[in-house]
Amino acid sequence: DIQMTQSPSSLSASVGDRVTITCQASQDISNYLNWYQQKPGKAPKLLIYDASNLETGVPSRFSGSGSGTDFTFTISSLQPEDIATYYCQQYDNLPQGFGPGTKVDIK
Amino acid sequence: EVQLLESGGGLVQPGGSLRLSCAASGFTFSSYAMSWVRQAPGKGLEWVSAISGSGGSTYYADSVKGRFTISRDNSKNTLYLQMNSLRAEDTAVYYCAKGIEYSSSRGGGYFDYWGQGTLVTVSS
Repeated sequence: DIQMTQSPSSLSASVGDRVTITCQASQDISNYLNWYQQKPGKAPKLLIYDASNLETGVPSRFSGSGSGTDFTFTISSLQPEDIATYYCQQYDNLPQGFGPGTKVDIK
Repeated sequence: EVQLLESGGGLVQPGGSLRLSCAASGFTFSSYAMSWVRQAPGKGLEWVSAISGSGGSTYYADSVKGRFTISRDNSKNTLYLQMNSLRAEDTAVYYCAKGIEYSSSRGGGYFDYWGQGTLVTVSS
């Protein structure tokens, strides 16, 4: 199985800060990497698919990059409504795997 | 508007069974693979199972293989998860999720829509 790691596990930043989360796969997954946002008590929401494509309706302050084994998710200017846990997900091979998540809150 | 509405969760004793349902609307149900993803309390997301658009291909996580069965009724736009021999570690919120592919060979690809989830608690 492909193992997914994320760092950091949590972070605290100020409104307007640039926030970066990294995700690493245990083997090459090409660009089959997605990012989801999950707010407490809610279902996950797709933000970025295929490493760098912004899902329709998602604000442009969210972006993703990377390929192979190393990926990056960025919030260019953190907003109060971005408080959530963010998960990366690979779908190159079954079983699909999610990263352990990064909890983002406001400093 | 795409909607996915799960039902069937509840409290069940270890070794018991439960059947989850996910009623879909707002898209051509039979054209897309569907998956179940679960989340144990305070934990991360775990993919559980996927089924192709036709229902002819199914895949399972090792943790549920042989105990859970995924199925779909395209005439009723409904996805199911039959869960047998339930264990305490199966306690979780179960989400149904719509894939972006017809095939389930990669779990249906990424998930562009999710249901609100249904809680399954396995406890004596």
